[in-house]
Amino acid sequence: KQEVTQIPAALSVPEGENLVLNCSFTDSAIYNLQWFRQDPGKGLTSLLLIQSSQREQTSGRLNASLDKSSGRSTLYIAASQPGDSATYLCAVKLVSDYKLSFGAGTTVTVRA
Amino acid sequence: ETGVTQSPTHLIKTRGQQVTLRCSSQSGHNTVSWYQQALGQGPQFIFQYYREEENGRGNFPPRFSGLQFPNYSSELNVNALELDDSALYLCASSPGAGRGPDTQYFGPGTRLTVL
Repeated sequence: KQEVTQIPAALSVPEGENLVLNCSFTDSAIYNLQWFRQDPGKGLTSLLLIQSSQREQTSGRLNASLDKSSGRSTLYIAASQPGDSATYLCAVKLVSDYKLSFGAGTTVTVRA
Repeated sequence: ETGVTQSPTHLIKTRGQQVTLRCSSQSGHNTVSWYQQALGQGPQFIFQYYREEENGRGNFPPRFSGLQFPNYSSELNVNALELDDSALYLCASSPGAGRGPDTQYFGPGTRLTVL
C-alpha cells in the first residue's frame, strides 16, 4: 500500500521568503507525481506534474523535483506572496493502481 | 473545452438519508474517479468508472455506489448517511482506462454536511 507523507503539516513565513515543501512516498513504482493547491473549502488546482522519468518541472515561481529512488519530492516556491497562502497536496500514481494516493497536505500562510 | 463540473455545490442532509452527487467529465474523457476528502486530510479514493463499468474501488462500504452514463457523466450515491460522511466529494476525469499515467482533472467538489 502506498503511503504518502507531507512534512511539515503547517508553515508560516514572511512575504518574500522562499518556501520548501516536502513529500515522501513508500512505493517507488510510480507513473508520476503531482502537486496541487487547495484553497479553503475549494477543489484542487493542479500546479505541476512530474513524470517518473523526469527529475524536475518548473512553472513560473514554482519548481518541483523528484527523486524516485529515495521516494521524495520537493516543491519550491520562490519569493512567496500572501496569495500563495493555501494548502499544498502531493499525489502519486502507482503503476499498479487506478487511483491517486494523496498526502494530507501542508498548509502555508504567507504573512504580509 | 469544458472542464469537470459537479453539482450541487453544497448539500445538507440528516443521518439515515440518501444523497446523490453528480459529475460531468471533461470533453473527450471516458474515465471518472470519485474521492472523499474529510476536513484536514488528503482525498481518499472511493471508486473509478470506465465506460460505464466500475473498474477500481477503495476501502469504502457498499452503501457508497455509483453510475456512469453513456455520455461519461457520473453519479455518486450514498445510502444511510452517517455523520462521518460529512466531507468534500471530488470528482476527477481522465482520458484513459484508469491503470495508466493519464492525468486526472478535478472538479470543484461538493461539500456534504450530515447532521
